[in-house]
Amino acid sequence: EPEVTQTPSHQVTQMGQEVILRCVPISNHLYFYWYRQILGQKVEFLVSFYNNEISEKSEIFDDQFSVERPDGSNFTLKIRSTKLEDSAMYFCASSALMGNTEAFFGQGTRLTVV
Amino acid sequence: GDSVTQMEGPVTLSEEAFLTINCTYTATGYPSLFWYVQYPGEGLQLLLKATKADDKGSNKGFEATYRKETTSFHLEKGSVQVSDSAVYFCALSGGYGGATNKLIFGTGTLLAVQP
Repeated sequence: EPEVTQTPSHQVTQMGQEVILRCVPISNHLYFYWYRQILGQKVEFLVSFYNNEISEKSEIFDDQFSVERPDGSNFTLKIRSTKLEDSAMYFCASSALMGNTEAFFGQGTRLTVV
Repeated sequence: GDSVTQMEGPVTLSEEAFLTINCTYTATGYPSLFWYVQYPGEGLQLLLKATKADDKGSNKGFEATYRKETTSFHLEKGSVQVSDSAVYFCALSGGYGGATNKLIFGTGTLLAVQP
């Protein structure tokens, strides 16, 4: 069964360092997303991506964040200068269609900023 | 803005007990409603969905009915199993008249089923 895969499963980084979280969406999907969940809090939308550009982003997704689909298969989330409050579980998701359709999620990357 | 509120956990039940996890929402427009489940060590999986008022979503013995009059989408199962132990997330999308496909999640409810 096709699945969304994320690497690494756990990333520890020092405050101020850059991190790149990687995702391989389902191959025929067209819409890609990043969400995050700070421990004990809600799963929050960060950004959606379609046709090689951002289609929507939340207030959380500031200039420190960027997304890229560099090679037609990977979908990455970069945090330029990590802060302690960026520590969270980051989920990648993809969907085939626009609208109220199922999004398939990866297992998540736990980011710990120390 | 749109939001989802679900009951606090953890919910601890004995095997074969009846399960209800409450979920209410606030949205403009006509959202679709979802329940996602996260088993230990795994990602979020869609459990069921309903796209319009009075629709009932069902899967693996779980059911939820889209109630527009009470803005609710409560999750129910008649007889839970130990294997149902997981975190359950209520979510909505398309509240802005369908113009967006981002999901808005509740906080999640941890269900622990004891043998």
